[in-house]
Amino acid sequence: NAGVMQNPRHLVRRRGQEARLRCSPMKGHSHVYWYRQLPEEGLKFMVYLQKENIIDESGMPKERFSAEFPKEGPSILRIQQVVRGDSAAYFCASSPDRSSGTQYFGPGTRLTVL
Amino acid sequence: AQSVTQLGSHVSVSEGALVLLRCNYSSSVPPYLFWYVQYPNQGLQLLLKYTTGATLVKGINGFEAEFKKSETSFHLTKPSAHMSDAAEYFCAVSGNNNDMRFGAGTRLTVKP
Repeated sequence: NAGVMQNPRHLVRRRGQEARLRCSPMKGHSHVYWYRQLPEEGLKFMVYLQKENIIDESGMPKERFSAEFPKEGPSILRIQQVVRGDSAAYFCASSPDRSSGTQYFGPGTRLTVL
Repeated sequence: AQSVTQLGSHVSVSEGALVLLRCNYSSSVPPYLFWYVQYPNQGLQLLLKYTTGATLVKGINGFEAEFKKSETSFHLTKPSAHMSDAAEYFCAVSGNNNDMRFGAGTRLTVKP
């Protein structure tokens, strides 16, 4: 049973470009979470999605960031017009349902903005 | 709302010594509590979790944690540190809605 998959593992963008980060949850999981980890810091919750629905986006910056989890395909975290401060590791996690408690994490995408 | 405080951003122990990483939580509902470990440039791996029942939880790699409601604590321990335990450790809490919140992390260094 494959774990949570994220791609790319490393992404380099220049200021002003767009970054698209992909997350495929574990098989049978329909709940996806995105977190951001800045250097030397813990994980900060960004958004919680279920298939075709955003459940909680209280941690998402108000501008430039968006997330989706379509009926088919991976979840996408999209960052428009990236700035240097967006450089971080972005982790995706998944769970089978809302009440299971445990989230299973992917290996992360390390975004570097030049 | 849930929150977690990890006391000590860096902990250093000698190989073979006791490991104690501290975590205190705040939760308005009965919490689920977790410890995750992160090795350099990798994702988070679940060490152990508390949901209900027995307050002493055993995890992988010889780690265990005890849920103490009266102290709102969930400290992580291991009787004897190994060099391979050197990593970043995160305590996390969630409520009924999978709204997991993480502490800032504790970096464990193991000296030979």
